[in-house]
This record gives sequence, C-alpha cells and structure tokens, in this order.
Amino acid sequence: GENVEQHPSTLSVQEGDSAVIKCTYSDSASNYFPWYKQELGKGPQLIIDIRSNVGEKKDQRIAVTLNKTAKHFSLHITETQPEDSAVYFCAAYTQGGKLIFGQGTELSVKP
Amino acid sequence: KAGVTQTPRYLIKTRGQQVTLSCSPISGHRSVSWYQQTPGQGLQFLFEYFSETQRNKGNFPGRFSGRQFSNSRSEMNVSTLELGDSALYLCASSLRGDGEKLFFGSGTQLSVL
Repeated sequence: GENVEQHPSTLSVQEGDSAVIKCTYSDSASNYFPWYKQELGKGPQLIIDIRSNVGEKKDQRIAVTLNKTAKHFSLHITETQPEDSAVYFCAAYTQGGKLIFGQGTELSVKP
Repeated sequence: KAGVTQTPRYLIKTRGQQVTLSCSPISGHRSVSWYQQTPGQGLQFLFEYFSETQRNKGNFPGRFSGRQFSNSRSEMNVSTLELGDSALYLCASSLRGDGEKLFFGSGTQLSVL
C-alpha cells in the first residue's frame, strides 16, 4: 500500500549543529514531496517542497534532496536555532491523488 | 489574507454521539482536505473535496463523512462516536488540490469520553 516511513522519530541537536531527517516512500509514481513543520498548538506549515524532476532544492538554511531510484528524500537544516524546535513531517503525493505523511520527527535544538 | 479557520477549537463528546466540524478555507482556494492526527498514527488522510465534489477518500469507515459548499467551506461529520475517534482533526486548503501548497488550520481537538 501507499506508505511513507520517516526516521528518526526524535532528534536532539546543539544550537548551530546540522539536523537531517530521512524519509522513504513506497509509490514509485509519487511526484511531489513537501516538508511541513508543526509547532505546539498549531497546524502543520509548509517549509519546503520538491518535485520529482529535481534532485535538490535549497532555501536559506533548509535543503531537501531526492533520490528517485532509492525512493528516498531527506531534509537538511543547517545552523540550527532554538526556534527550529518542532515536529517535522515529510509527505509524498501519490499517483492515487493522496498526500501521505510520514510519522513525524520531533526536533529539539538545545541552546 | 485570512488563513484557514476551523471551528470549534475543542470539543468533548460521549460515545455514540455524532459531531460536525467546520472549516473555512483561504479565500480563492477550491480544495479542502481533512486529516486525522493522533500520537500513534500520525497524520492520516480522510478525504478531499474540490468544487463541492469528493475527489479522494482515505481508509476510514463510513461513519466519517464530509461535504463542501458552493463557497468552498467544508464540514466533516462523524457519527456513532467511538473512543478511538479522539484526535486532532485538521483541515487544509489549497488552490489546485494536487497536493501542492497545503495551508492547514489549527485543528479541532475532539475528545470522546
């Protein structure tokens, strides 16, 4: 079935370090991969996305890489700051027209 | 412009009751999708509406239903509530409904006692 696996489930880093979150998807026809950040008491907010015809995309301290062959994509956050602390979700848009989310990664950035 | 508005913010019901949740999308957005969020299952897709038509449905029982009005506002209904329906219900709107650029509301926290 359609599935997205996300690792790790929790991640703790020191301020200024980098953080990497990895996801694997099952539907090889998936063509769109967004990343969302959810802060306490709020709904998820889109932070970056990538289409299947692109291998990498960067926006300031955030970057996403996509390996279509391995059906694997990753979020990289550099120079982490305490305000980056939140739950991060990856997602894949399937051929069936559904946006399937990973289980989430709780990122904690310690000052 | 105003974001996605969900009402009510919190709801407490008892088993067997039914509940209706409301979602007002961003002006101009024609697609509204609903998700159930629980600590154990994460974000699970319920259904998506575009221009008043349900375009896609997740793997939830028929007790979960929804509709969209001509002004794009959407409601979801859960009948015969079960304890396991306790969750945060999130609504998201988008312009095209192709999974891109979803804007989420803050959700309705439903507790079933």
